[in-house]
Amino acid sequence: GAVVSQHPSRVICKSGTSVKIECRSLDFQATTMFWYRQFPKKSLMLMATSNEGSKATYEQGVEKDKFLINHASLTLSTLTVTSAHPEDSSFYICSASVRSGRTDTQYFGPGTRLTVL
Amino acid sequence: QQQVKQSPQSLIVQKGGISIINCAYENTAFDYFPWYQQFPGKGPALLIAIRPDVSEKKEGRFTISFNKSAKQFSLHIMDSQPGDSATYFCAATDSWGKLQFGAGTQVVVTP
Repeated sequence: GAVVSQHPSRVICKSGTSVKIECRSLDFQATTMFWYRQFPKKSLMLMATSNEGSKATYEQGVEKDKFLINHASLTLSTLTVTSAHPEDSSFYICSASVRSGRTDTQYFGPGTRLTVL
Repeated sequence: QQQVKQSPQSLIVQKGGISIINCAYENTAFDYFPWYQQFPGKGPALLIAIRPDVSEKKEGRFTISFNKSAKQFSLHIMDSQPGDSATYFCAATDSWGKLQFGAGTQVVVTP
């Protein structure tokens, strides 16, 4: 149980184009999903928290107009990188949160490697 | 500013040996401490987790030791295997449900 998928796993795009990444919880409903960015050999950096039916909450320094997040249902959140530039190239990972009692556990997707040429 | 400090940055252990990774935190509001295992090019996978009212939790070859008064916790990997070679992240969940990650430890298990 607690499987999270991401699509696509890899994407290469030209500078100036937009890219959409989907994150789905396959066997559970997640009221909260998170989007992270990870640079090589570094830890995960939280970009935003996404709650179903409401606007995402962005971490300090993350441009909300550049990284558009939509949480349309309890099983789907999308991240759109708008007008992508080479510096946006990174590994993007989503997670979905499951509550059990007092504990919120995050389960991660397999990640999406974005390369902007 | 890293709210969870993790060490060592990397370690090499022989097959069959014990891998030990340590983490420390300051925020006493943290209430859940998961460990994640990440292989190159993959997302992190939940390995084992503990709440602060428990001092130790064991699942197979993986054990978490938790010292609430010292605000420290550690992961022990017993009988380490080459397949355990990965990056391990400790983390702590804050009151908003957000994870604060450690910097990660790259573990290499030699045959």
